[in-house]
Amino acid sequence: DAKTTQPPSMDCAEGRAANLPCNHSTISGNEYVYWYRQIHSQGPQYIIHGLKNNETNEMASLIITEDRKSSTLILPHATLRDTAVYYCIVRGHYGGSQGNLIFGKGTKLSVKP
Amino acid sequence: GAGVSQTPSNKVTEKGKYVELRCDPISGHTALYWYRQSLGQGPEFLIYFQGTGAADDSGLPNDRFFAVRPEGSVSTLKIQRTERGDSAVYLCASSLGVNSAETQYFGPGTRLLVL
Repeated sequence: DAKTTQPPSMDCAEGRAANLPCNHSTISGNEYVYWYRQIHSQGPQYIIHGLKNNETNEMASLIITEDRKSSTLILPHATLRDTAVYYCIVRGHYGGSQGNLIFGKGTKLSVKP
Repeated sequence: GAGVSQTPSNKVTEKGKYVELRCDPISGHTALYWYRQSLGQGPEFLIYFQGTGAADDSGLPNDRFFAVRPEGSVSTLKIQRTERGDSAVYLCASSLGVNSAETQYFGPGTRLLVL
């Protein structure tokens, strides 16, 4: 099972910041938080990942709480093309697996004009 | 550079037939993953390779599914005696290595429809 909890859906106005929350209260010290998104009929697209520190790249910012039990993905100026399902994934070592991604149902973000 | 590519993009077959799905990873990536995505669900892990060997095949649903990566680059997912329940999008991903800091990059997927 996925180790993350996300709201099933969110709306955001075009041009505004989209803040997508994720709870991962059972995260372990060596596990990363990854964010992917999937636009309809395409493969998942990598957005950003982090371990402890906040991270920023050309797509988004990732804010991880100090206790690492939750995080927020921020799209600073959402556009209609950001409409997609966003997946928050905790990635580490599970038994015999070597870091394969375990996807939940994600958050369906709808950016509206 | 070139991303992960998958062929065919769509495949329609009849129940009971055999199908092969191909994945070309990003050049230099040693790890290759297969996932399956049913309608309305997130992708589910099937198998991954480190080099030529299948390091973890725990996600394969049954022995009708098999995958190979003979030269450590291209991989083929093989499904025997297809069933209607096998209809899904089959996704391939690759990464430089297998540790948690190595990002997996996905291909566009192969949409398989079993009639």
